[in-house]
Amino acid sequence: NAGVMQNPRHLVRRRGQEARLRCSPMKGHSHVYWYRQLPEEGLKFMVYLQKENIIDESGMPKERFSAEFPKEGPSILRIQQVVRGDSAAYFCASSPHSTEAFFGQGTRLTVV
Amino acid sequence: GQQLNQSPQSMFIQEGEDVSMNCTSSSIFNTWLWYKQDPGEGPVLLIALYKAGELTSNGRLTAQFGITRKDSFLNISASIPSDVGIYFCAGQLGSGGSNYKLTFGKGTLLTVNP
Repeated sequence: NAGVMQNPRHLVRRRGQEARLRCSPMKGHSHVYWYRQLPEEGLKFMVYLQKENIIDESGMPKERFSAEFPKEGPSILRIQQVVRGDSAAYFCASSPHSTEAFFGQGTRLTVV
Repeated sequence: GQQLNQSPQSMFIQEGEDVSMNCTSSSIFNTWLWYKQDPGEGPVLLIALYKAGELTSNGRLTAQFGITRKDSFLNISASIPSDVGIYFCAGQLGSGGSNYKLTFGKGTLLTVNP
């Protein structure tokens, strides 16, 4: 059973471009979470999704950020018009139910 | 919002020593989780605790869910070089909507000198 797969592992974007981060949850997991980690910080919750539904997006900036988890295919975290402050590691986690979230290896976004 | 205070921030120990780290919260959690993160990798789940007072072991690791539900500790016995990394505690309120999200501590950086 493959783990949570995230791609790309590293992403470099110029200011103003769009960043698309993908996450394929573990097989059988219908809960997906996105977290952001700044250097030397813990992970901060961004959004929680189930198939085709956003359950909680209270941690996601209102502007420029969006997330989806379609019926088919991976979950996508989309950041439009990136700024330097968006540079961080973005982690996706999945779980089959409410607990024991398993994390992917993350996408390191660098905005230049 | 909820905050987790994790201590110590960092530890430097000799191989073979025991290690203890803890997390305290300003509010109650119904689940406590401990993760380890290696450089450039995602957090890996070490131990999950679901009941107040619960004491759970995973090899050389032991974690406890505090009776008040506002704290948890993690012990590592007989440390080895591969224990190096950042250890995070995380609390979860429980089932129901947004209560699934995890609140993380800032981490404890562990260095083990061989």
